[in-house]
Amino acid sequence: EPEVTQTPSHQVTQMGQEVILRCVPISNHLYFYWYRQILGQKVEFLVSFYNNEISEKSEIFDDQFSVERPDGSNFTLKIRSTKLEDSAMYFCASSEAIGRAGLNGYTFGSGTRLTVV
Amino acid sequence: KNEVEQSPQNLTAQEGEFITINCSYSVGISALHWLQQHPGGGIVSLFMLSSGKKKHGRLIATINIQEKHSSLHITASHPRDSAVYICAVEYTGNQFYFGTGTSLTVIP
Repeated sequence: EPEVTQTPSHQVTQMGQEVILRCVPISNHLYFYWYRQILGQKVEFLVSFYNNEISEKSEIFDDQFSVERPDGSNFTLKIRSTKLEDSAMYFCASSEAIGRAGLNGYTFGSGTRLTVV
Repeated sequence: KNEVEQSPQNLTAQEGEFITINCSYSVGISALHWLQQHPGGGIVSLFMLSSGKKKHGRLIATINIQEKHSSLHITASHPRDSAVYICAVEYTGNQFYFGTGTSLTVIP
């Protein structure tokens, strides 16, 4: 079964450093998403991306965050200057289209646990 | 304000029991998702609904658009069903809001 792959599975970084979280969505999917989950809290939507541009973003997704699809297969989330409160599990997801794909809408990656120290 | 409320927050059941998890939302949506988060943190998409009912194996999801309410049912529950079940709603423009999740433990 096709998978969304995220790397690394765990990253530790110093406060103020830039991090790039990587995702390889399913190859025929067109819509890409990033979510985060702070430990013990609910999942939060960050951003959706379609046709090489952001289609929707949440209040969390401020100027410190950016996304890119640099080479047609990877989908990256960059945090420019990490803060302690950026520590969370970050999930990537992809979908064929909004509102379809049969039983399920989306396929999630297994997540990257970011720890900012 | 976009609110997604799930109940119960925690649920313990004996193996074989029929389980219902509820989700209510506050404004009109384009779709509702049920997700399963495993103890290791990974998330699996179970259902995406915009109306009616869907069934997959022992899982059934229903949605009542007028009442802004959805339920996830698990028939003949099994210990491997133990996980956190998350309701998420999708609004026009694919903005998502998530519930806090229902932690299910099924005891053998």
